[in-house]
Amino acid sequence: AQKITQTQPGMFVQEKEAVTLDCTYDTSDQSYGLFWYKQPSSGEMIFLIYQGSYDEQNATEGRYSLNFQKARKSANLVISASQLGDSAMYFCAMREVGLNTNAGKSTFGDGTTLTVKP
Amino acid sequence: KAGVTQTPRYLIKTRGQQVTLSCSPISGHRSVSWYQQTPGQGLQFLFEYFSETQRNKGNFPGRFSGRQFSNSRSEMNVSTLELGDSALYLCASSLVGQGAEKLFFGSGTQLSVL
Repeated sequence: AQKITQTQPGMFVQEKEAVTLDCTYDTSDQSYGLFWYKQPSSGEMIFLIYQGSYDEQNATEGRYSLNFQKARKSANLVISASQLGDSAMYFCAMREVGLNTNAGKSTFGDGTTLTVKP
Repeated sequence: KAGVTQTPRYLIKTRGQQVTLSCSPISGHRSVSWYQQTPGQGLQFLFEYFSETQRNKGNFPGRFSGRQFSNSRSEMNVSTLELGDSALYLCASSLVGQGAEKLFFGSGTQLSVL
């Protein structure tokens, strides 16, 4: 079974500073993908970044980067130069990769609420 | 390209009633998955459909059911509503629901059971 743990229920960061949101995972699968999603107060989840378990380099997408440490089973999200619009809930998620019986299923963590202070 | 559309946006029901939620995926997407989001339980996977077939199901009672039509639109139904069913129900679509595909979410249906 897959499990995602996000240990920070809430985080504060000053505008323009960087912030790291923690995510650890547990899985017996060899091939899997890790995702981060953002959920503003409007409710719609927005994809931010993806990391494959076999990717050797950390993923980056604009101001978002993923600090992937496979041996420690962690996939932390780093947001650089925080903006007021980054205030939202952030979810870490994982899914098996490849044709398998868990097709279509993603497992999510409990989320971290990020507040950016002006 | 239109996004994922969920209707209705808000629903208020009473215990014992049943409810049907609708989800229209992005055009061309054949995988539709449903999630229940509550403050206490986070996001819980309900089920996933691909080409009108349920491929996967989460740990929810049989009161929760769904289906997918030939145009990939999906509905989920909850019968005999309980207070604990109050939640935000999110629908997500992707091309085939596997691998590195990201999910595209709708805005959700906020269900309140009184």
